[in-house]
Amino acid sequence: AQSVTQLDSQVPVFEEAPVELRCNYSSSVSVYLFWYVQYPNQGLQLLLKYLSGSTLVKGINGFEAEFNKSQTSFHLRKPSVHISDTAEYFCAVSDLMNTGFQKLVFGTGTRLLVSP
Amino acid sequence: GAGVSQSPSNKVTEKGKDVELRCDPISGHTALYWYRQSLGQGLEFLIYFQGNSAPDKSGLPSDRFSAERTGGSVSTLTIQRTQQEDSAVYLCASSPLWASGNTIYFGEGSWLTVV
Repeated sequence: AQSVTQLDSQVPVFEEAPVELRCNYSSSVSVYLFWYVQYPNQGLQLLLKYLSGSTLVKGINGFEAEFNKSQTSFHLRKPSVHISDTAEYFCAVSDLMNTGFQKLVFGTGTRLLVSP
Repeated sequence: GAGVSQSPSNKVTEKGKDVELRCDPISGHTALYWYRQSLGQGLEFLIYFQGNSAPDKSGLPSDRFSAERTGGSVSTLTIQRTQQEDSAVYLCASSPLWASGNTIYFGEGSWLTVV
């Protein structure tokens, strides 16, 4: 079964500074990777996803992530953060079940705290 | 509606009581999921429905948990004889069809507190 590791439970950063949120996944022959964001008291919203092709994936709100197969990583980056980016960020990988369907396996999340 | 709708948004219940959580997926979405988010934890998969196929219940933590989906649309997650460790946010999600890489859309969750 797939697994996802988000080593940083919390990342404090100043407004307009760059940020990187780390995500590592367990190795597999093929993998689909996702980043979701959860704003306070809201559900999860898809930021971006990697299915195939270019290893650099661009998402909403200026975020991007790079798929690195050799390092089994899918780190999320933003060159300049805003106060409004304060939220919980979840990395996820798809996992093929015995039933044939694929479910998302999530990491424990990274809380991004942006201060003025 | 425009998104996945869940009710109640908040529920406080006494230990030992049964609770029902409702999910109304996005219209036309055939796949429906339930996840649980506990404090300080990631999202834990509970159950998956796809059309008329038998649900995948492999994530349900105990036999106190059950879910059904009527008419291929609305789903209800039932927790019997609630325990304090059941306190969590229960998230419902749906997608048009589970094909690899399809986006899953989440509701805002039902916050359950067992006292």
